[in-house]
Amino acid sequence: AIQLTQSPSSLSASEGDRVTVTCRASQGVSSDLAWYQQKPGKVPKLLIYRASSLESGVPSRFSGSGSGTDFTLTISSLQPEDFATYYCQQFNSYPLTFGGGTKVEIK
Amino acid sequence: EVQLVESGGGLVQPGGSLRLSCEATGFTFSNYWMSWVRQAPGKGLEWVANIKQDGGEKYDVDSVRGRFTISRDNAKNSLYLQMNGLRAEDTAVYHCVKAPPDYGTGRSTFDYWGQGTLVTVSS
Repeated sequence: AIQLTQSPSSLSASEGDRVTVTCRASQGVSSDLAWYQQKPGKVPKLLIYRASSLESGVPSRFSGSGSGTDFTLTISSLQPEDFATYYCQQFNSYPLTFGGGTKVEIK
Repeated sequence: EVQLVESGGGLVQPGGSLRLSCEATGFTFSNYWMSWVRQAPGKGLEWVANIKQDGGEKYDVDSVRGRFTISRDNAKNSLYLQMNGLRAEDTAVYHCVKAPPDYGTGRSTFDYWGQGTLVTVSS
């Protein structure tokens, strides 16, 4: 199974900050990587698919990059509603797997 | 509006069985791969299994193979997960999840999630 390692596992940031979360795959997944946002008590929401494609309705302050084994989710200017946990997910091969999550907290 | 509503969770003893159901509305259910994804309390996400539109292909994670069976009834717009031989580590909220269009292999992202049903395995 492909393992996805996210870093950091948590971070504290202020409104307006630029935030970067990384996801490293144990083997290459091409661009078959997605990012989700999950708020407490809510279901995950798809933000980015195919590593860098923005899901419809997702604000443009979210962006994704990378291919192969190293990927990045960037929030260009953190907003109050962005405080949440973020997960990466690979869909290159079975079993489909998720990273362990990155919790973005208020500084 | 896409809606996925799970049911069937509850408290079960180790070694017991449960059958989860998911009723889908707001889209043509028979056109999409469907999955179950679980989340243990306070933990991350784990994909459990998926099934092709016609039920002809199924995939699952090693930890449930031989114990869990995914199925669907397109006439009833419903997805199921039969869980046997339950273990404490199966305790989680189980989400019914839809794949976006154009993922013919089933290896996909997930665009709609149900709120989930809690399965607790404990004596």
